[in-house]
Amino acid sequence: GEDVEQSLFLSVREGDSSVINCTYTDSSSTYLYWYKQEPGAGLQLLTYIFSNMDMKQDQRLTVLLNKKDKHLSLRIADTQTGDSAIYFCAERSGGYQKVTFGIGTKLQVIP
Amino acid sequence: EPEVTQTPSHQVTQMGQEVILRCVPISNHLYFYWYRQILGQKVEFLVSFYNNEISEKSEIFDDQFSVERPDGSNFTLKIRSTKLEDSAMYFCASSEGLRTEAFFGQGTRLTVV
Repeated sequence: GEDVEQSLFLSVREGDSSVINCTYTDSSSTYLYWYKQEPGAGLQLLTYIFSNMDMKQDQRLTVLLNKKDKHLSLRIADTQTGDSAIYFCAERSGGYQKVTFGIGTKLQVIP
Repeated sequence: EPEVTQTPSHQVTQMGQEVILRCVPISNHLYFYWYRQILGQKVEFLVSFYNNEISEKSEIFDDQFSVERPDGSNFTLKIRSTKLEDSAMYFCASSEGLRTEAFFGQGTRLTVV
């Protein structure tokens, strides 16, 4: 079945770039997502990329997709303390409604 | 900004009891979902609902679970005869269409004792 893997924890200094990595197994994944969860809050969709794209940039966020290696990354430029949260990688295959999530990477930003 | 709201934020129930988790999706959305996250584990898909019927469900969503849209605004998840292992954070989500982003609620933490 589908699986999404990501590291559990990342610590960066304020102002540095953060790179959160994710791998997935489903070669028919069509949509790949990054969600953010702040303490006590729901899952907020940050950005997504279609499988026919290699890169997507949205302000401080850059998503890179290596479809051959089934590797997705999220780069946050100039990381701020407000970026501290859990970041979930997720994928969905076209035609299906189910989204498969990774376990989430906890990003800690050190002032 | 429109949002998905879930009530209650935390529910404690005794094993064997029935619980109903409530969600108000965004008003013009047509697709509704329930996910759960057991502590320390991944967020797992339970069910999707469209046009007043279940459109997709996972193997987790067995006869113990049911969903309903009792009126034009609420979307509920009923868990019959709760078990200890049903303790989890339950997230409701909704989307405008199948290929549009899903908006998640803040979750209901269910604790079965």
